[in-house]
Amino acid sequence: DTGVSQDPRHKITKRGQNVTFRCDPISEHNRLYWYRQTLGQGPEFLTYFQNEAQLEKSRLLSDRFSAERPKGSFSTLEIQRTEQGDSAMYLCASSLGDRSYNSPLHFGNGTRLTVT
Amino acid sequence: RKEVEQDPGPFNVPEGATVAFNCTYSNSASQSFFWYRQDCRKEPKLLMSVYSSGNEDGRFTAQLNRASQYISLLIRDSKLSDSATYLCVVNRNFGNEKLTFGTGTRLTIIP
Repeated sequence: DTGVSQDPRHKITKRGQNVTFRCDPISEHNRLYWYRQTLGQGPEFLTYFQNEAQLEKSRLLSDRFSAERPKGSFSTLEIQRTEQGDSAMYLCASSLGDRSYNSPLHFGNGTRLTVT
Repeated sequence: RKEVEQDPGPFNVPEGATVAFNCTYSNSASQSFFWYRQDCRKEPKLLMSVYSSGNEDGRFTAQLNRASQYISLLIRDSKLSDSATYLCVVNRNFGNEKLTFGTGTRLTIIP
């Protein structure tokens, strides 16, 4: 299966600790997105990359959050000094697109973060 | 006001019935529209795009009303496998750079 993969599937951490998640997009996809979803809500946009360039960041992405996609392939999302409010499902998605076209987003299974 | 609003449900519908969901969006400049489906504890998956002229895919029909800024999804002859959360999704551009999701409408088909 060459879909979007995310690691780890689950992460439990204590408040104040740093966590890092990884996303491997579909190999030919140049766009990569991070979303966050809490129970009973739809996914909320966090940020997106086109190749290695981070083109947009949501206001939701506080200074404690940083995302990278150094070689335009996999991406990491780091949360520093985690808070209980960070507990959520973090979803990664990828697509193939340019200025005039974008394929549908393919989501990974997500990383479920629990901050205790 | 939320950018995309949906009735969260739940909708409990008998098998074989027709069910319709509506969704409203606040940004009149929005350009592209979608319905995604999300099964319990799974990732969202694209169900269908929504075009200005309306479009149909088997038992599913999507409509867009730009004047009133709402989107609808109609499911005919509902199946047990249609049980899921249906997410209304809007984008201000023609591409997918920043999809804005509604909270989703939960549908349960009852045997």
